[in-house]
Amino acid sequence: NAGVTQTPKFRVLKTGQSMTLLCAQDMNHEYMYWYRQDPGMGLRLIHYSVGEGTTAKGEVPDGYNVSRLKKQNFLLGLESAAPSQTSVYFCASSSIRGIMGQPQHFGDGTRLSIL
Amino acid sequence: KNEVEQSPQNLTAQEGEFITINCSYSVGISALHWLQQHPGGGIVSLFMLSSGKKKHGRLIATINIQEKHSSLHITASHPRDSAVYICAGVFNTDKLIFGTGTRLQVFP
Repeated sequence: NAGVTQTPKFRVLKTGQSMTLLCAQDMNHEYMYWYRQDPGMGLRLIHYSVGEGTTAKGEVPDGYNVSRLKKQNFLLGLESAAPSQTSVYFCASSSIRGIMGQPQHFGDGTRLSIL
Repeated sequence: KNEVEQSPQNLTAQEGEFITINCSYSVGISALHWLQQHPGGGIVSLFMLSSGKKKHGRLIATINIQEKHSSLHITASHPRDSAVYICAGVFNTDKLIFGTGTRLQVFP
């Protein structure tokens, strides 16, 4: 039972480097989300998608781009990594966006450090 | 600004104790989620509720929309309950605002 799978689990980057985080879900969910989790703060929404081919900005979208070319995959890209993007990134999916009766299913997280 | 606050931030207990974690929020919430984050980092949804009470095993969640307050109770706590518990309010039907979490440690 895979659920939501994130790759990689850990990554260290140098300032200015680029990378892509991959999220894959096998539950046929329409909605997918990328969050970041920082010490002393709650999870914050970066970008989300309400279906294949769609993306939208969340609370903290600056410095990130996303793509949803296939329903099961949601990619998060950092074009030019900055130390402020050091964080733990979580992907989640749901059949209905965050509303009643439909919990979000989370991946195990990607710990990203920018030096 | 919508806001979700949890208390306490940290909680320690002896095995078998009754645990209560609180979550308060500002106006506009239509429902609330309780999540559990394991020491390894994975996040699991425990409950979603909009009124009254829900129970699953030793976990009980209650909410009072008028008082803008929710509680998560753990009966007969066990070391395996050690985790971070997070509440998240559903604002405007589709926006989730997360609390900062309560770190629970249960000692044998």
